[in-house]
Amino acid sequence: SQQGEEDPQALSIQEGENATMNCSYKTSINNLQWYRQNSGRGLVHLILIRSNEREKHSGRLRVTLDTSKKSSSLLITASRAADTASYFCATDKYGNKLVFGAGTILRVKS
Amino acid sequence: DVKVTQSSRYLVKRTGEKVFLECVQDMDHENMFWYRQDPGLGLRLIYFSYDVKMKEKGDIPEGYSVSREKKERFSLILESASTNQTSMYLCASSYKRGVIAYEQYFGPGTRLTVT
Repeated sequence: SQQGEEDPQALSIQEGENATMNCSYKTSINNLQWYRQNSGRGLVHLILIRSNEREKHSGRLRVTLDTSKKSSSLLITASRAADTASYFCATDKYGNKLVFGAGTILRVKS
Repeated sequence: DVKVTQSSRYLVKRTGEKVFLECVQDMDHENMFWYRQDPGLGLRLIYFSYDVKMKEKGDIPEGYSVSREKKERFSLILESASTNQTSMYLCASSYKRGVIAYEQYFGPGTRLTVT
């Protein structure tokens, strides 16, 4: 069964707009991670947020974590065409292992 | 930079063939993983290895086996390929520090087609 579920499944925005993706999970976690996958390629790690953190920034990325609601959001500000990709959240349900959601497909139109 | 390489980007095999997918990482990571990725299903863990010769089944191990004879290399074996194993296969590695999962580094993927 999948631990992380992303919402929406797909998102289409104009360049320069902000993109927000959400992730919900079911059980307690040590950390939650976000990854990006460009079409047909491997995943690239974006950001890791620990269960005792509420917000984390990395460049144009902002991740929030609400452990009481078992949810996280990824915000990409001032989006660019190069941000077009699939975005996955992953939680450490089984210690060293991660469980990935089905992903959000982001399309940024120029 | 961490580099994870996979032996093939594209592979076409026939039903019943034995298939080997190789993965090599150069960062001395203890953990290595094999996933398969199918549309709408995200990544599903096939097998996990936390040390040389050590392995654990993931969520979908049926029809697959693995081998880890050296720390840097983790092989996925399809004993008798079937059409429902047509998929994208992704290898990943990570450090092992206690029971907490760290970021994983992925290879470029192998798109396997079984005809």
